[in-house]
Amino acid sequence: AQSVTQLGSHVSVSEGALVLLRCNYSSSVPPYLFWYVQYPNQGLQLLLKYTTGATLVKGINGFEAEFKKSETSFHLTKPSAHMSDAAEYFCAVEGSGYSTLTFGKGTMLLVSP
Amino acid sequence: DADVTQTPRNRITKTGKRIMLECSQTKGHDRMYWYRQDPGLGLRLIYYSFDVKDINKGEISDGYSVSRQAQAKFSLSLESAIPNQTALYFCATSGKTDTQYFGPGTRLTVL
Repeated sequence: AQSVTQLGSHVSVSEGALVLLRCNYSSSVPPYLFWYVQYPNQGLQLLLKYTTGATLVKGINGFEAEFKKSETSFHLTKPSAHMSDAAEYFCAVEGSGYSTLTFGKGTMLLVSP
Repeated sequence: DADVTQTPRNRITKTGKRIMLECSQTKGHDRMYWYRQDPGLGLRLIYYSFDVKDINKGEISDGYSVSRQAQAKFSLSLESAIPNQTALYFCATSGKTDTQYFGPGTRLTVL
C-alpha cells in the first residue's frame, strides 16, 4: 500500500521568499517520488522525480526536492518565489513494482507581490 | 500538436445520460490512465491499461468503464451519469520511465 500526505492545502509566500511545500509518503516498498505542477486550466506537468541514486533532485523552474528515507519525506523547495510559480502542486508516490501513482491532495501556492 | 489530447474539453450533461470521454496520444506509450480530480481530493485513479489487452481497475472504478481501442486511444465511459461524477477528468500516458504525461483535461458537469 502507498499513500501521500501534503501538509497545507494552501501556502502563501511573498515574491522572492523561500518556497517550501511539504510531502510525506508511506510505501511498503522502495518508493519512486514525483512532484507535479498544475497551472490554471491546464493538465499536470512533471517538476521533478526521484527514483534511485542522488537524494537531492533538481527539477525545472528552479525547484528541487530531497528524499529523506528516515523521515519518509520529499519536500519541495525553491529559494526565491516568482509570481509565475503560483499554481497547485501535487506530490505522488509509486511503489517500485506497482506501476501506478498515488497522489496527494495538492497544495495551492499563492505568491503575493 | 499536443502529445496527449482529450475530447471534449468541456461537457454538460444530464443525469442518466451515457457519456464517453476520449483520449489519444502520439507519444508511442503503452501505458494509459484515467484520473478524476475533485477540489481538495487530488487526483484519483479510475482505470489504467498497460497495453491494448490489459485493463485494470483503479481506486474508484465504480460507475465507469473503459475501452482501449488501440495503443494510442483509451476511452472512458459513464454508462449512466450522476451528479457526483461532476469533476475534471485527466488522461495520462507513460512509457518505461515511470513519468506520466497528462492531457489538458475534460471538465464534466452532470446536472
